[in-house]
Amino acid sequence: DTGVSQNPRHKITKRGQNVTFRCDPISEHNRLYWYRQTLGQGPEFLTYFQNEAQLEKSRLLSDRFSAERPKGSFSTLEIQRTEQGDSAMYLCASSQLNQPQHFGDGTRLSIL
Amino acid sequence: TQLLEQSPQFLSIQEGENLTVYCNSSSVFSSLQWYRQEPGEGPVLLVTVVTGGEVKKLKRLTFQFGDARKDSSLHITAAQPGDTGLYLCASDTGRRALTFGSGTRLQVQP
Repeated sequence: DTGVSQNPRHKITKRGQNVTFRCDPISEHNRLYWYRQTLGQGPEFLTYFQNEAQLEKSRLLSDRFSAERPKGSFSTLEIQRTEQGDSAMYLCASSQLNQPQHFGDGTRLSIL
Repeated sequence: TQLLEQSPQFLSIQEGENLTVYCNSSSVFSSLQWYRQEPGEGPVLLVTVVTGGEVKKLKRLTFQFGDARKDSSLHITAAQPGDTGLYLCASDTGRRALTFGSGTRLQVQP
């Protein structure tokens, strides 16, 4: 399968813990995006990379959130000191220049 | 920030019926995309429309882009249970990231 891969698919953690998600984009795609989707809503943009450079961050991305794409391939999204409101589906997408985005199946985060 | 409003929010119909869902904005879309998302999965791109007045067909799905590029519709003919899912419209609004509507959740009963 050469689609966008996200791990883990589901993460359950206690409030206050740190969590990290991984996204492996389609190999030739140089753009990578993170979105968050809560129940009953469409995805909301969090941040975007072109190669290894983080070019845009949403105001939704608080100081507790950090994303990296160190070698311009896979990306990680870390949430520190998780809160109840962080419970959501975290979606990763990738694309080539000016081409449609392809989404992974997401990581569902549940905060106890 | 451009807001995309989708209607209806929820639609439950019987197999074989036709339906139309809508996506509207107060601003002009540079382009518009329609996605379908099934539970536990990511959105899957159905179509991109770019030109005002454009009509695209994908089997039983017909997508229309308004002349002023502020609205779009998706019409499904003879809906099937496999059409069940969340239908999302999205626009890049000139930015690289997508802005999504809140979606129309479609349930097709056999």
